[in-house]
Amino acid sequence: NAGVTQTPKFRVLKTGQSMTLLCAQDMNHEYMYWYRQDPGMGLRLIHYSVGEGTTAKGEVPDGYNVSRLKKQNFLLGLESAAPSQTSVYFCASTRQGPSYEQYFGPGTRLTVT
Amino acid sequence: KQEVTQIPAALSVPEGENLVLNCSFTDSAIYNLQWFRQDPGKGLTSLLLIQSSQREQTSGRLNASLDKSSGRSTLYIAASQPGDSATYLCAAGSTYNFNKFYFGSGTKLNVKP
Repeated sequence: NAGVTQTPKFRVLKTGQSMTLLCAQDMNHEYMYWYRQDPGMGLRLIHYSVGEGTTAKGEVPDGYNVSRLKKQNFLLGLESAAPSQTSVYFCASTRQGPSYEQYFGPGTRLTVT
Repeated sequence: KQEVTQIPAALSVPEGENLVLNCSFTDSAIYNLQWFRQDPGKGLTSLLLIQSSQREQTSGRLNASLDKSSGRSTLYIAASQPGDSATYLCAAGSTYNFNKFYFGSGTKLNVKP
């Protein structure tokens, strides 16, 4: 099993450009999450999904959109990138919610200039 | 809002020493408490998950305890090794929203040979 994979690993964007980050898991997990990690601030939840076709806002959702059209994939979109969105983005999944451990992807390092 | 704090931010110990990492949270109404390890440039790996009804969990040289009443969790590492060098993060699961986890900023551990 590959576990949780993320594409791309690195990306540099100019302000105003758009992009989509892809997260894929092969563990048949129901719940998926997108976090961002910034120095000294820990991980903050952007959006999450409790199953195929569902999405919900997390702690810092502004400027991001998500979609979960297939159970194994969770997409994070930036419509108009801003320098404040420079961060490392992590995707995670759990089998069925918080009673189970979270599995994380390797991260995507995004720089917005 | 739940605040999770990890002190110290960095710790350096000689190989073979037993050590304790601390995690404090402000709201005792947590669903669970999870400890993670993060290597540089990598994603998070789950180490131990303690449910709110449990007092501790053990895995090999690792032991995590949870005291909800005092808002504290500790991760005990026995006989530390250079391979234990990494950043250790804790995350508290919310009782109010089962899909929200609040992360500390981590303790960066360096085990010197």
